[in-house]
Amino acid sequence: QMQLEQSGPEVKKPGTSVKVSCKTSGFTFSSSAVQWVRQARGQRLEWIAWIIVGSGQTNRAQKFQGRVTITRDMSTSTAYMELSSLTSEDTAVYYCAAEVPQGTIRFDHWGQGSLVTVSS
Amino acid sequence: QSALTQPASVSGSPGQSITISCTGTSSDVGAYNYVSWYQQHPDKAPKLMIHDVSNRPSGVSDRFSGSKSGNTASLTISGLQAEDEADYYCSSYTTISTYVFGTGTKVTVL
Repeated sequence: QMQLEQSGPEVKKPGTSVKVSCKTSGFTFSSSAVQWVRQARGQRLEWIAWIIVGSGQTNRAQKFQGRVTITRDMSTSTAYMELSSLTSEDTAVYYCAAEVPQGTIRFDHWGQGSLVTVSS
Repeated sequence: QSALTQPASVSGSPGQSITISCTGTSSDVGAYNYVSWYQQHPDKAPKLMIHDVSNRPSGVSDRFSGSKSGNTASLTISGLQAEDEADYYCSSYTTISTYVFGTGTKVTVL
């Protein structure tokens, strides 16, 4: 059974960074891609970035250029998203989702979401 | 990359059919047959309902169908049921190897 387990809620101050984890199981992590999506309360889904796990290749939405870093740890089958220079507008639920196998352009499997609150 | 355009809300009575549109550009929806549709109930993670414009993942009801013409994709829900009341989002792969989501549509079952 494919599962994505995300890290818990975070409260951060403006100007700091947050790192959200997405631990996967039930599939071959190295043959997948992981995307990150966020959703502010009552707002639409917003695509952030993705990583092709096997090669480590990443791509991100222009809006997040220079502010988001996507990494993975093959030894623990975990993907990470780090967002820096946080503002209150980054307060949202952050989701990871897996494409298995990579290249199918379909994200069937989603984490439960991680709430990030940015507040002074 | 601007969000794909969807109607804010669509409603229908039980048993009826409704269609949600998703309009993009030649750099996303019109570029490839890589449009997906997601259903999201309140405080839940999105669920993939359609991928590659018109393909249903295993376990998704055949009451859900997708299509595309030019830069506009559509999701049709036939035989509307109370459990279909949710938010729906389209998503498209783009020519710069990113993804973009739609503005979202709230489906109400009257």
